[in-house]
Amino acid sequence: KQEVTQIPAALSVPEGENLVLNCSFTDSAIYNLQWFRQDPGKGLTSLLLIQSSQREQTSGRLNASLDKSSGRSTLYIAASQPGDSATYLCAVVFSGGYNKLIFGAGTRLAVHP
Amino acid sequence: GAGVSQSPSNKVTEKGKDVELRCDPISGHTALYWYRQRLGQGLEFLIYFQGNSAPDKSGLPSDRFSAERTGESVSTLTIQRTQQEDSAVYLCASSFKVRETQYFGPGTRLLVL
Repeated sequence: KQEVTQIPAALSVPEGENLVLNCSFTDSAIYNLQWFRQDPGKGLTSLLLIQSSQREQTSGRLNASLDKSSGRSTLYIAASQPGDSATYLCAVVFSGGYNKLIFGAGTRLAVHP
Repeated sequence: GAGVSQSPSNKVTEKGKDVELRCDPISGHTALYWYRQRLGQGLEFLIYFQGNSAPDKSGLPSDRFSAERTGESVSTLTIQRTQQEDSAVYLCASSFKVRETQYFGPGTRLLVL
């Protein structure tokens, strides 16, 4: 079964810390992996998309890496800020004719001043 | 429009009634997806449309659920004879092409009493 797992489920850090969110997936045959952020009561905001041929993508203070062979991706957030507090979701499009995103359960991040 | 829009934003209905949810994708996006997020659970794929191809309905939970899309424009998700377990946030997403970044709408929060 194609599944996506995120660790940790929740994380609380002081402002200014660099942090890493982890995502693992059960099948290395993927098209791409996408990281989202979800704020309470709101929809999803796309942060980064990594194609299967890429190793990493960067946007501002965010850096996402992809290691297909080990079935892992990490989202690195530099110099965290209270405004980064949200739930971060990892989602994968697996190969095999499927175009849907399979989501992890998310990591709830709280950055306190 | 600038982003994906959904209506209504909130819907309260009685068990057994039919409901219709609407999604307006980003103009020019050929792919459209519906997902569901029940309280405390992850996002589940429901259905996917790509151009004039047959939709991928593999995620629809029962035959009470159906969806339509006219060309590359608006989509409607219909739930017949609603049940309490249908209560969830229904999210729509679109992408320019299949397997590209998916952009999500704000969702429709459905409560079945």
